[in-house]
Amino acid sequence: GQNIDQPTEMTATEGAIVQINCTYQTSGFNGLFWYQQHAGEAPTFLSYNVLDGLEEKGRFSSFLSRSKGYSYLLLKELQMKDSASYLCAVIESNYQLIWGAGTKLIIKP
Amino acid sequence: IAGITQAPTSQILAAGRRMTLRCTQDMRHNAMYWYRQDLGLGLRLIHYSNTAGTTGKGEVPDGYSVSRANTDDFPLTLASAVPSQTSVYFCASSEEGGNQPQHFGDGTRLSIL
Repeated sequence: GQNIDQPTEMTATEGAIVQINCTYQTSGFNGLFWYQQHAGEAPTFLSYNVLDGLEEKGRFSSFLSRSKGYSYLLLKELQMKDSASYLCAVIESNYQLIWGAGTKLIIKP
Repeated sequence: IAGITQAPTSQILAAGRRMTLRCTQDMRHNAMYWYRQDLGLGLRLIHYSNTAGTTGKGEVPDGYSVSRANTDDFPLTLASAVPSQTSVYFCASSEEGGNQPQHFGDGTRLSIL
């Protein structure tokens, strides 16, 4: 069946680095998205991976291993504004998205 | 400012009533989507439309209907609301091609009593 697993909640310290993991089992694979969602707001696009490896975009990087059904989002130099939920979503073979429940990231001073 | 507009922002509705959630985008995106987001669950697709004049069912379509008369508008209708439809509803759009990121509206918070 289809399944996307992410930790429910993580806590990190301002200025530190945090890695948010996502594992998936889906019907086919055409890519993976990471989105950020602040409380009470809409999800916003962060990154897209379709090939194995690391994609870097400023303080945020996303990694994909297709053979392992695994991705992570790496956030560096954490800022208080990074407190949000981070959603992993997989594009299935029919090009529909399957979404994880999201990881709530709490940043402490 | 280009984007997606949803209305209303929030609504409290009596069970059994009919309700239409509005969604308009001005990015000329062909594909549009309706999701519901519930605590502890991922976004779940209700209905989608790949282009004006066509619609399709997502993961949780029962109790909902959509129409796509033109590129810009994609309304979602609850014919007879039930308490289990209490949720936050997000409309999204994307350019053609399944690997294009989706852009989301600000959501409609709907409570069915």
